[in-house]
Amino acid sequence: EAGVTQFPSHSVIEKGQTVTLRCDPISGHDNLYWYRRVMGKEIKFLLHFVKESKQDESGMPNNRFLAERTGGTYSTLKVQPAELEDSGVYFCASSFGQPRLEQYFGPGTRLTVT
Amino acid sequence: AQTVTQSQPEMSVQEAETVTLSCTYDTSENNYYLFWYKQPPSRQMILVIRQEAYKQQNATENRFSVNFQKAAKSFSLKISDSQLGDTAMYFCAFMKGAGTYKYIFGTGTRLKVLA
Repeated sequence: EAGVTQFPSHSVIEKGQTVTLRCDPISGHDNLYWYRRVMGKEIKFLLHFVKESKQDESGMPNNRFLAERTGGTYSTLKVQPAELEDSGVYFCASSFGQPRLEQYFGPGTRLTVT
Repeated sequence: AQTVTQSQPEMSVQEAETVTLSCTYDTSENNYYLFWYKQPPSRQMILVIRQEAYKQQNATENRFSVNFQKAAKSFSLKISDSQLGDTAMYFCAFMKGAGTYKYIFGTGTRLKVLA
């Protein structure tokens, strides 16, 4: 069974540009989550999809961030326009059934905004 | 709001020895779950162990065990017979027992197992 995959693994963009991160969850997992870790700090929750619906987006920092999950499969997280403070590692996770058992994480996308 | 604190940014242990990673949390919830996740270098984060707050018995998974002190809001991870493959970043995480399914993570402890 393939794990959670994320693309790209690393992105370097200039301030003001747009970047789109992609996450492919484990096949059949209805729940999909986005988290972010800013250098040296804790991993912070961004949002949670159940299928294509946003269940909880309380962690989205501002309206420069847009997450979508059309069709309830893969998800994208777009940052437009990017700011320096958006730099960090963006993790995607997915789960099936009872979400309090375990979330399966992807390898992360390292975003560097210069 | 819930918070999770890991006060040890870095630790090291000799191979075959035992090490304990500390984690404290703050919550007014009575029903919740606690987790330890491990992220080896350049690899994905994986679940090490999970504890339900309503269970008094400490969770164990092979060489990994926890010391869950609910009243003290402490959730430490003990790794016995440390192996080189245990070298990783370890994150403690909290999840409410109802409503949201989001993790609240600590800042992590970087553990290095020395040969």
